[in-house]
Amino acid sequence: TQLLEQSPQFLSIQEGENLTVYCNSSSVFSSLQWYRQEPGEGPVLLVTVVTGGEVKKLKRLTFQFGDARKDSSLHITAAQPGDTGLYLCAGLSGYALNFGKGTSLLVTP
Amino acid sequence: NAGVTQTPKFQVLKTGQSMTLQCAQDMNHEYMSWYRQDPGMGLRLIHYSVGAGITDQGEVPNGYNVSRSTTEDFPLRLLSAAPSQTSVYFCASNRNFGDTEAFFGQGTRLTVV
Repeated sequence: TQLLEQSPQFLSIQEGENLTVYCNSSSVFSSLQWYRQEPGEGPVLLVTVVTGGEVKKLKRLTFQFGDARKDSSLHITAAQPGDTGLYLCAGLSGYALNFGKGTSLLVTP
Repeated sequence: NAGVTQTPKFQVLKTGQSMTLQCAQDMNHEYMSWYRQDPGMGLRLIHYSVGAGITDQGEVPNGYNVSRSTTEDFPLRLLSAAPSQTSVYFCASNRNFGDTEAFFGQGTRLTVV
């Protein structure tokens, strides 16, 4: 199993602040995915990054895949309370998606 | 357009009891999987199936059985429940193996007392 380490584990910020969440591995992945999970719900896919160095934007969220395809980051600009949730990175390992432990984000008004 | 449906949503079991967590998808997806989610541990793969009639073990298979008699259904059986199996269980489906977009159900919160 290829391990995905996420940091920070918890993040509590105020509305309007910027933040970055990291996902690191010692292994190379063909692609990495970011999911968001809200309380009482299953994770929902936000984005897939495939090419080393790739940057994808989803409104105020910016996703980057490292050049060596071993790490990824998620940057949120001007966070809003609606961004609150658990952010999970995942990568295909063998026959299954391997998930990081997640970053729990709380955005307060 | 139901997607992935899990039942029940909540369940309390006594130690030693058995039960089946149901999972059904209506997207004609070939690949299905079961995860458990525990605080501080993230999502861990229990079992997966790449198609009807084919199942295999994931990271934490002990105490669980699965079968895949149809494309739509992928039930998870707890043989003899233990307190260590208290967790939130998620079923997911992917269009096929190698397709990295997983569609998750809403989860089953299981408590074993």
